[in-house]
Amino acid sequence: EDKVVQSPLSLVVHEGDTVTLNCSYEVTNFRSLLWYKQEKKAPTFLFMLTSSGIEKKSGRLSSILDKKELFSILNITATQTGDSAVYLCAPSGGTSYGKLTFGQGTILTVHP
Amino acid sequence: NAGVMQNPRHLVRRRGQEARLRCSPMKGHSHVYWYRQLPEEGLKFMVYLQKENIIDESGMPKERFSAEFPKEGPSILRIQQVVRGDSAAYFCASTLQSSYNEQFFGPGTRLTVL
Repeated sequence: EDKVVQSPLSLVVHEGDTVTLNCSYEVTNFRSLLWYKQEKKAPTFLFMLTSSGIEKKSGRLSSILDKKELFSILNITATQTGDSAVYLCAPSGGTSYGKLTFGQGTILTVHP
Repeated sequence: NAGVMQNPRHLVRRRGQEARLRCSPMKGHSHVYWYRQLPEEGLKFMVYLQKENIIDESGMPKERFSAEFPKEGPSILRIQQVVRGDSAAYFCASTLQSSYNEQFFGPGTRLTVL
């Protein structure tokens, strides 16, 4: 069965701190790994990673994939209170390839 | 370019009634996925559809649940004879193609079964 494990499950930091969120996965017919941010509503797309070792960046957020170790990390530098959310890791694969398998998520709380 | 639309946003049903959830994908997208988020749980895949085709329904409960994506109109997730355990947020996502493109999510429908 496909499996995704995210750690830590929750994280409390102060504004300006840097955080690293982890995601390990086991998915059949792996295609890509997606990161989403969820704030009590729909998940908002952050990154899609398909190649190992190539960092993707968007502002203060960056992410990288290791397909050999089946692992991805999401980094957020200089955190702000608006970064408070649940961060979801979702590899795509499965019998129909496009299906996303979501982890439990990491709850990030950023205090002023 | 409008995003993924879902309606209704909130739906209340009594046990035994039917629930119909609608999803209009982003313009130009012809692939739709449905996911369910139970309280205190992660998102779980339910079904993957293309226009007039069910590609993968491995995540759908065997009874009472069905989905369609007709040639014209939105995708519909139908739950017959709802039970309290069906109370959840139901999200749909659309993508241009299946496995090589990002999935963009709609705002979700929160189903409450009394």
